Amino acid sequence: DADVTQTPRNRITKTGKRIMLECSQTKGHDRMYWYRQDPGLGLQLIYYSFDVKDINKGEISDGYSVSRQAQAKFSLSLESAIPNQTALYFCATSDSDRDETQYFGPGTRLLVL
Amino acid sequence: SQKIEQNSEALNIQEGKTATLTCNYTNYSPAYLQWYRQDPGRGPVFLLLIRENEKEKRKERLKVTFDTTLKQSLFHITASQPADSATYLCALVSDSSYKLIFGSGTRLLVRP
Repeated sequence: DADVTQTPRNRITKTGKRIMLECSQTKGHDRMYWYRQDPGLGLQLIYYSFDVKDINKGEISDGYSVSRQAQAKFSLSLESAIPNQTALYFCATSDSDRDETQYFGPGTRLLVL
Repeated sequence: SQKIEQNSEALNIQEGKTATLTCNYTNYSPAYLQWYRQDPGRGPVFLLLIRENEKEKRKERLKVTFDTTLKQSLFHITASQPADSATYLCALVSDSSYKLIFGSGTRLLVRP
């Protein structure tokens, strides 16, 4: 079984709809992250959480919100989706040591019409 | 401003040759630097980490160097194979932060 899972894997939605992307991990890591990736561009950090009570904005948090329901679960919400949020979204985890090696989920491909 | 840069042009090489990818950074003082592999439509996978006090790190056919004076890391794949074709991302952690900052990646194509 995969250590970091994301649901759904693909999603098509309409402008203005609220959607939630979910991430679960079985690695026992305390740190979790949400990134978006656009074609030909690098990974941009949306939000990150270093433990259940800690939520931090990344570079591009506008239009997104997150919830850390448990150590193993970190959800990303688009409150009112817009077409330029069409992208590939990745969840990642890391252990709280200085190496910050990150383990990524398989990604969610989101299309906003 | 702070930047981490990788060559956006794809690197196209013949099977068996050594592939060399470059990662340059400015206005960071990274405690260490990491390299990841990403296949199309999949999440990045960690390959190697090199610390600021290390000059070189090896793992099987992979070698990474880290020059803090030049502010550059080189990633080498020796005896390259078509299965090595992927995008390779470098990422660094600044000494003042424990967040990873990723480069945009370089696509490697290995021709049989």
